[in-house]
This record gives sequence, C-alpha cells and structure tokens, in this order.
Amino acid sequence: NAGVTQTPKFRVLKTGQSMTLLCAQDMNHEYMYWYRQDPGMGLRLIHYSVGEGTTAKGEVPDGYNVSRLKKQNFLLGLESAAPSQTSVYFCASSYPQGLAGIGYNEQFFGPGTRLTVL
Amino acid sequence: KNEVEQSPQNLTAQEGEFITINCSYSVGISALHWLQQHPGGGIVSLFMLSSGKKKHGRLIATINIQEKHSSLHITASHPRDSAVYICAAHKGDTDKLIFGTGTRLQVFP
Repeated sequence: NAGVTQTPKFRVLKTGQSMTLLCAQDMNHEYMYWYRQDPGMGLRLIHYSVGEGTTAKGEVPDGYNVSRLKKQNFLLGLESAAPSQTSVYFCASSYPQGLAGIGYNEQFFGPGTRLTVL
Repeated sequence: KNEVEQSPQNLTAQEGEFITINCSYSVGISALHWLQQHPGGGIVSLFMLSSGKKKHGRLIATINIQEKHSSLHITASHPRDSAVYICAAHKGDTDKLIFGTGTRLQVFP
C-alpha cells in the first residue's frame, strides 16, 4: 500500500497563477484533510471532507477550494495564488471517529507539497 | 494564547539521555496525539491516547486529563530520534485536530 500520496512535491508559482494539489489514499479512509504548515505555527486545517462528495471549511479556508469527487482523492485548488500562500501543504486521511470501537482515529499524513508563490 | 502549547520549543541532548517533551492544553479534549516530523518533512503518528500511558519501544506517552497535560518521554535517546515532535488534540468530540507548534529535538552522539 502506498498510504497517502501527494502530487506535486514542489511547485513555484507566480502571483495570480492557479494550481491544484492532488492527494490520494489507498486505505479506504472516509475522512480526508488538507493542512498548511508555516514556520513558528502549528499545522492549520484548511478544508476537510467526511466522505465522497462532501467538503467543509477548516480554520484557514480563504483562498482555497477543494473537491472530493472520488473517495480516494482530495483535491486542493488555489484559484489565484498569493505570496501569503507560500507554505508546506500536508494531506491526511483517517477512519471516522468511533469506528469499530477504536475511538478517535490516527491520521495518516502524506509527504507534503512545498509551494512557493513569488 | 494557543489552545495547545508545547515546551520546550528546542531541545538538545547527548546520546543516551532521557528526554521529556511537554504538552498542555486549555480546552476540553477527547484524545491527544503525538506526532514525529523528520527533517525530510514527513509526519508520522507515534501515539494516540485519551487516558493513562502508552509505550512503544523507547517512547512513552502519558496524559493527565484533570491537569490537561501530556508528556512524551524518550529513553536512551539516539541521534536518529532527532526530529520535531508535535502534540495535537481532538477538541471536544470532533475529528479535527488542534496542533502545537512542535518541539525540535537534536540528539548528538
């Protein structure tokens, strides 16, 4: 199993350009998440999804859009990139809480995408 | 003030030393995670706990719900333990995590 994969690993954009980050998981997880990690700050949730076809806003959703058309994929889009979106982006996935009595579940993280917006 | 605070921010140790990293939180939580992020950037879950203590190899995690505090201990530290250790809490009964800013550990031979 590949676990959680992210494409691309690195990207440099100019202000105003658009791009899509792809997250894929092969663990049949219901829940998927997009985070950003900035120096001196903890990981912050951008958007998340509790199942195919559903998405919800996290802590810092402005400037981003997401889609979950297939259970295994979660896409993060930047329509008009800004320098403030320079960051490392992590995708994660998990089973729902309470599955099979496990309680709150471990999140599995992808390797990250380093994005620079000039 | 962050809802999840870690201390220290940076920690250096000699190989073999006993390491303690602390995590305090100010909100009601249902479970707490300890994560490890290596210099290459990948993040791995070490522990998830809601009470008591868990042990895996040289790593031990404890949590005191009443005191809103958790600790991660590393016994007989090794240079390969050098990484950023992150505490993250499930706030209330949600699946969303609130992350601390991490503790950067360097273990020298």
